[in-house]
Amino acid sequence: KQEVTQIPAALSVPEGENLVLNCSFTDSAIYNLQWFRQDPGKGLTSLLLIQSSQREQTSGRLNASLDKSSGRSTLYIAASQPGDSATYLCAVSRLYGGATNKLIFGTGTLLAVQP
Amino acid sequence: EAQVTQNPRYLITVTGKKLTVTCSQNMNHEYMSWYRQDPGLGLRQIYYSMNVEVTDKGDVPEGYKVSRKEKRNFPLILESPSPNQTSLYFCASRGTGDYGYTFGSGTRLTVV
Repeated sequence: KQEVTQIPAALSVPEGENLVLNCSFTDSAIYNLQWFRQDPGKGLTSLLLIQSSQREQTSGRLNASLDKSSGRSTLYIAASQPGDSATYLCAVSRLYGGATNKLIFGTGTLLAVQP
Repeated sequence: EAQVTQNPRYLITVTGKKLTVTCSQNMNHEYMSWYRQDPGLGLRQIYYSMNVEVTDKGDVPEGYKVSRKEKRNFPLILESPSPNQTSLYFCASRGTGDYGYTFGSGTRLTVV
C-alpha cells in the first residue's frame, strides 16, 4: 500500500530564506507526483507536476525534484515571502489498473514565513 | 476560466437529512473524483468516475453515492448524513493526456 510522508509537519522561517520541503513515498511505481498549495479553509492550487520519467520541474521561485528509486521528492522555495505561508501537500498517482488516476496525499507541511 | 466549481461552499445540516454537493467542470475532463479532508488523516478519495456512467469506489465510500450522467457534472450525495461525515470535501478533475489535477474550492460540511 502506497504511503506518502511529508517532513517536517510544520516549518517557520524568516522572510528571504531559501527552504526545502520533503516528501517520501513507499512504492516507486508512480505515474506522477504533484505538489499543491492549500491556504486556510481554501481549495488546493496545483504548483508543479512531475511525470515519473522526469527529474525536476521549475516554476518561478519553485523547483521540485523527483527521485523515484529512493522514493523522494523535494520542493525548493527560493527567497521565501510572507505570501508563501500555506500548507504544502504532495500527492502521487498510482501507475496501474483503473486507479491510475487516484491521488495519494501526504499530510502536508504547514509553512509560516515571518516578515 | 478553466475551473472546477463546487456548491455550496458551506453547509450545516442535521443527521439523516439527505443532501447533495454539486461539482461541475468546464474543461471537458473525463476523470472526476471526490475527496474528503480530515485533520490528521489528510485527503482520502471517496469515489471517482472515469467517464460518463462509469463510477467506482475510492478508499472511504461508505455513506456516499455519486452519479455521472453528464461529463461536466459529478454530484456527491449523502442519503443519510451522520456526524462522522463532518469534513472538508473537494472535487477534482483531470483530462486524458493531461496529467495534472484541478481541484474545486471545497465544501465545508457540518452534520449535527
